[in-house]
Amino acid sequence: QLVLTQSPSASASLGASVKLTCTLSSGHSSYAIAWHQQQPEKGPRYLMKLNSDGSHSKGDGIPDRFSGSSSGAERYLTISSLQSEDEADYYCQTWGTGIRGVFGGGTKLTVL
Amino acid sequence: EVQLVESGGGLIQPGGSLRLSCAASGFTVSSNYMSWVRQAPGKGLEWVSVIYSGGSTYYADSVKGRFTISRDNSKNTLYLQMNSLRAEDTAVYYCATYGFFDYWGQGTLVTVSS
Repeated sequence: QLVLTQSPSASASLGASVKLTCTLSSGHSSYAIAWHQQQPEKGPRYLMKLNSDGSHSKGDGIPDRFSGSSSGAERYLTISSLQSEDEADYYCQTWGTGIRGVFGGGTKLTVL
Repeated sequence: EVQLVESGGGLIQPGGSLRLSCAASGFTVSSNYMSWVRQAPGKGLEWVSVIYSGGSTYYADSVKGRFTISRDNSKNTLYLQMNSLRAEDTAVYYCATYGFFDYWGQGTLVTVSS
């Protein structure tokens, strides 16, 4: 069964960079995922689709500060030059077998 | 510009029914994947259902047999018929489109409580 694992929390200082991780369960290392951002009291926003080779396609208006990369079963979201509005929950998402949408548990990012 | 606007949420008693709508603009509902995703209070995102352009539908195990996803091509609108509602169905319901949820609506709150 496909499972996406994320750390519950992360923190970094204003202006610094942070790298969030989403790990695909065993046997699913070739899967593409998407990253979504949810700011407090708002709906989710699509950031990018990230392929297993690290190529990615970002959503409309997503700043260059957001980038993605991959290594094996791990998918990364890197945010550089952190701003206060980057404080949000970040979810990874993909599609499992039998056509099931799958979300990771989310990472709450705190900007110090 | 792609826009999704959900409506139809509210307070409903356990065992009741509710139909959510998602009005789309800027693209054609019938030509794309359309999904419902929900978020219980203080919890993460949970995929609920998807309808493909060809009309095939799929559901999370937690709602299978109780919820039905459909669309009205003439109105360019997606629906979620929710029957036999339970307290654990309380959540904000979002519609989303394209393969990896490229666009999201603002959500509509469903509260199941007596």
